[in-house]
Amino acid sequence: GENVEQHPSTLSVQEGDSAVIKCTYSDSASNYFPWYKQELGKGPQLIIDIRSNVGEKKDQRIAVTLNKTAKHFSLHITETQPEDSAVYFCAAPRARAQKLVFGQGTRLTINP
Amino acid sequence: DTGVSQDPRHKITKRGQNVTFRCDPISEHNRLYWYRQTLGQGPEFLTYFQNEAQLEKSRLLSDRFSAERPKGSFSTLEIQRTEQGDSAMYLCASSLEGNMGAFFGQGTRLTVV
Repeated sequence: GENVEQHPSTLSVQEGDSAVIKCTYSDSASNYFPWYKQELGKGPQLIIDIRSNVGEKKDQRIAVTLNKTAKHFSLHITETQPEDSAVYFCAAPRARAQKLVFGQGTRLTINP
Repeated sequence: DTGVSQDPRHKITKRGQNVTFRCDPISEHNRLYWYRQTLGQGPEFLTYFQNEAQLEKSRLLSDRFSAERPKGSFSTLEIQRTEQGDSAMYLCASSLEGNMGAFFGQGTRLTVV
């Protein structure tokens, strides 16, 4: 089945700098890759996603890149702000199954 | 409709008791998922429905767990004879068929004492 590895587990950056979180997946048939942001005491919030027919997608300060050959995808946050502090999860679908397999999460802290 | 709604937000129960959680998905979404999340981990899939049909169940879902979605709208997740290991956040999510992008509710945090 699908295995998703996420790095780093914690990340601390200065406000205004960029943050990058990386994930690798094992199933080459996976074709959809979402990123979720989870704040304390809340459910995960879908912030951006990418399908396997594109290599990059941007939405304001966040972007996701996908390398299908290497089976990894990354979340990029530019001009970080204190409200970006949260736990971020990547996910990938298990092939031919209607469920997402999540990474272990990255706790991002933005230092003022 | 402002999103996926879960009730209750918190539940504390004694070991051995039964508990039931409710999820109301986004109204036009025909797929509904239950996930479980323990501290410091990502959500783990439990089960999912397409309309009223339960189409997949994880091995994590022991026979003490049962989920229903009787009319293809809201869903309930029941845990019988709760154990301390059941303590977790139970998350519900919904999506449209053909779209893997699932929207999560705020979760129900279960504490078994």
